Amino acid sequence: EVQLLESGGGLVASGGSLRLSCAASGFTFSNAWMSWVRQAPGKGLEWVGRIKRKTDGGTTDYAAPVKGRFTISRDDSKNTLYLQMNSLITEDTAMYYCTTPYYDILTGHFTYFAHWGQGTLVTVSS
Amino acid sequence: DIVMTQSPDSLTVSLGERATINCKSSQSVLYNSNNKNYLAWYQQKPGQPPKLLIYWASTRESGVPDRFSGSGSGTDFTLTISSLQAEDVAVYFCQQYFRTWTFGQGTKVEIK
Repeated sequence: EVQLLESGGGLVASGGSLRLSCAASGFTFSNAWMSWVRQAPGKGLEWVGRIKRKTDGGTTDYAAPVKGRFTISRDDSKNTLYLQMNSLITEDTAMYYCTTPYYDILTGHFTYFAHWGQGTLVTVSS
Repeated sequence: DIVMTQSPDSLTVSLGERATINCKSSQSVLYNSNNKNYLAWYQQKPGQPPKLLIYWASTRESGVPDRFSGSGSGTDFTLTISSLQAEDVAVYFCQQYFRTWTFGQGTKVEIK
């Protein structure tokens, strides 16, 4: 069974930093692309960024609002995904979810998000 | 970026009646080489993460009741709940995975 467990959320002052972790189990983490999605209180879902598996270059991509401030990394030896968040602003207040795009063998593409963690809440105070 | 726009923002339906949610993408999410629409639907209940309902625009995820169906192609898509049940009260999101990932703003479904 796929399990994703986020941690590291909390209250931080504007301008501060925080590092989130996502412990993965139930699948071959090193073969997976991983993503972060966030949801501000009472709002919709916003894709934050993605890291590819190392065999695909291990490259990252980010949504415009977080580019240059957030960094996604992974430790395949620990089956853990990270989100380093710097220069936090109040608009970054949200529940942060770890998820993994499903690899569709027939198309060869990484696709929809079949599995999600329960999320970790980040609150940025002014 | 591909912008996803859902309508309506909220919907109130009687138990047993049909609920229809629309989703429009700012550009086609149909991948011509495999003729698949890179479009998914999720259900989110309060305090829970999103749950995948539909992928490839019309394929139901395992375990999802058959009262949920998806249709559409290119830029226009629909999620239909054929006979609304009390447990279907939730917010529904469409998502494109054609180019990175973006979500619609969500549609809140309530019981009349």
